[in-house]
Formats: sequence, structure tokens, C-alpha cells
Amino acid sequence: KNEVEQSPQNLTAQEGEFITINCSYSVGISALHWLQQHPGGGIVSLFMLSSGKKKHGRLIATINIQEKHSSLHITASHPRDSAVYICAVRRFGNEKLTFGTGTRLTIIP
Amino acid sequence: KAGVTQTPRYLIKTRGQQVTLSCSPISGHRSVSWYQQTPGQGLQFLFEYFSETQRNKGNFPGRFSGRQFSNSRSEMNVSTLELGDSALYLCASMEGGSNTGELFFGEGSRLTVL
Repeated sequence: KNEVEQSPQNLTAQEGEFITINCSYSVGISALHWLQQHPGGGIVSLFMLSSGKKKHGRLIATINIQEKHSSLHITASHPRDSAVYICAVRRFGNEKLTFGTGTRLTIIP
Repeated sequence: KAGVTQTPRYLIKTRGQQVTLSCSPISGHRSVSWYQQTPGQGLQFLFEYFSETQRNKGNFPGRFSGRQFSNSRSEMNVSTLELGDSALYLCASMEGGSNTGELFFGEGSRLTVL
């Protein structure tokens, strides 16, 4: 079993829909990152969380440390949100980043 | 501020050769980390440097090595290339030594091994 599991693997939605991507992990962590990767490869860091909730524009990220679970929400989704979203955790102790397999999001106009 | 710069962006090598990739972090950032991304394995951590010292290393063979210079620029080297080393190699910089800082990624170096 992977230390970081994301769901769903693929998600297609209509423009304007509310999107939720989930990340579950099985180890103790010091931080969790949500990353966005567009075709072509470049990665952008969206959020870094160690507790609670963060909001940036239409994006909201939450984390529940006790349940070892984080969610990324996109409100009023837009075709430009189409990308792969990757969850990564930094483990207590060795501090290496471990990545989920990513969620491929496609927003249809 | 300029972003994280990786060079070269694309390169093609043959089996048995070696390759050196470069990463210039954002000015003022002292931490540089490297990652390999393949369709089969996804993103995997290679190593992390802070103030010229390797702080962490992933589970890769000794053919993969790296270093960081006094100006925080970093290089990674892969010797005796194998077909399976074909991947997108990404580096990221972070401002300080805290492991809870935000990461800033470069565009990556896409290596093809023939």
C-alpha cells in the first residue's frame, strides 16, 4: 500500500462545478503539499499545510491530522484548472517528500 | 525575482553515457531538492541539499549523485545511463532550512536515453 493515496485518479467535470480531490496518508507528517502540474511538466506549489485550512482565490485546502486526510477543493471550476493535482507529504523523521500518484482533472467548457 | 532555472531543458543520451543537469534556485534560497518523474513511478525524491550539504537522499542507486555550490546552484549527475533513466528531472528551491517551507519548482530537464 502506498504511503500517499489520492482519489479519484481521473475526474472530468463541467465548467462551474465544485471539485474535490482527496489525499490520504499513512505516516506521521510535518507538512503536506498540494501541487499542480500542467501539460509540459512545470509544477506549481498551490498550498503547504500543517494544520487547518487555507484558501487562495477559488482554491481551498484542508487537512485533518488526526484522520490523516487532506482535501483540495476548487470552486466555480474553469477549463484552465485542467491539470494534474499532486499531493505530497513530508514525513516526520526523515523529512523526505513522498508523492501521491496524482489526480488528472479535466474541466469541459 | 527570477524563478528556478533548470538547464538543459531537453537532452538525448545513449546508454552508458553520463549526464549532468543544473539547477539555479531563486535568489536567496539555500535549499535545493531534486525529483525524478516517470510515467510508471510518478514523482520520486532524489536528494536535497542545504548550504552545500546533502541533507536527505532517496532510494536511488549510486549512479545518481549531486552537489551544491556556495552560490546555492546545484547539479545532479547520472552515470552509466540506462534506458529506465529516461524521465523528467525536476528541481525545487526553498528559502530556508525549515522543512515546512514552500517549494518553488523549475520547468524540468527532460532526459531521453536511447
